[in-house]
Amino acid sequence: ELKVEQNPLFLSMQEGKNYTIYCNYSTTSDRLYWYRQDPGKSLESLFVLLSNGAVKQEGRLMASLDTKARLSTLHITAAVHDLSATYFCAGSRANDMRFGAGTRLTVKP
Amino acid sequence: NAGVMQNPRHLVRRRGQEARLRCSPMKGHSHVYWYRQLPEEGLKFMVYLQKENIIDESGMPKERFSAEFPKEGPSILRIQQVVRGDSAAYFCASSPQSGQSNGQPQHFGDGTRLSIL
Repeated sequence: ELKVEQNPLFLSMQEGKNYTIYCNYSTTSDRLYWYRQDPGKSLESLFVLLSNGAVKQEGRLMASLDTKARLSTLHITAAVHDLSATYFCAGSRANDMRFGAGTRLTVKP
Repeated sequence: NAGVMQNPRHLVRRRGQEARLRCSPMKGHSHVYWYRQLPEEGLKFMVYLQKENIIDESGMPKERFSAEFPKEGPSILRIQQVVRGDSAAYFCASSPQSGQSNGQPQHFGDGTRLSIL
């Protein structure tokens, strides 16, 4: 069974700082996804990582995938308040998609 | 709005009643997934359906829960004889085909918040 673990689960950071969220998965995963969820809202797709060494960037967020280490990272550069949300990673094998518990990010002025 | 449509957004039921949650996938999508999210937790996979077929229901409790995706109309997640522990947000997602095979992310609806009194 594919298991996905994220850390940290809670992250409080100041504006302008950098930080990384880690996502480990237990067995081979076809794809690795990152989603953002605002309180009371749905999930918004951020990145889809398809292969080893894949790196994608959008604004202050950058995601990478290391399939050998079974690790994906979401790096936040120069955080701003608007990035406050919960971030989920998810792995998939065939039709099976499993989510991590989420990282609740709070960016303080 | 061409996105995934879920209704109702909020549903309140008393213990023992039935809850019906509806999901209309994005236009052109034929694959539907249901997830449950408990407060402060991640999403738990429940069931994956294609039109008229249940492909994977390994995450769905065997009793009281059922799901369907008829040829016409929305997908329905049905919970019979609800209990307090069923209180959660239920999200539906859709993809044009087996999303994982072509790298497309699943697109999520806004969810139904189910509260059991």
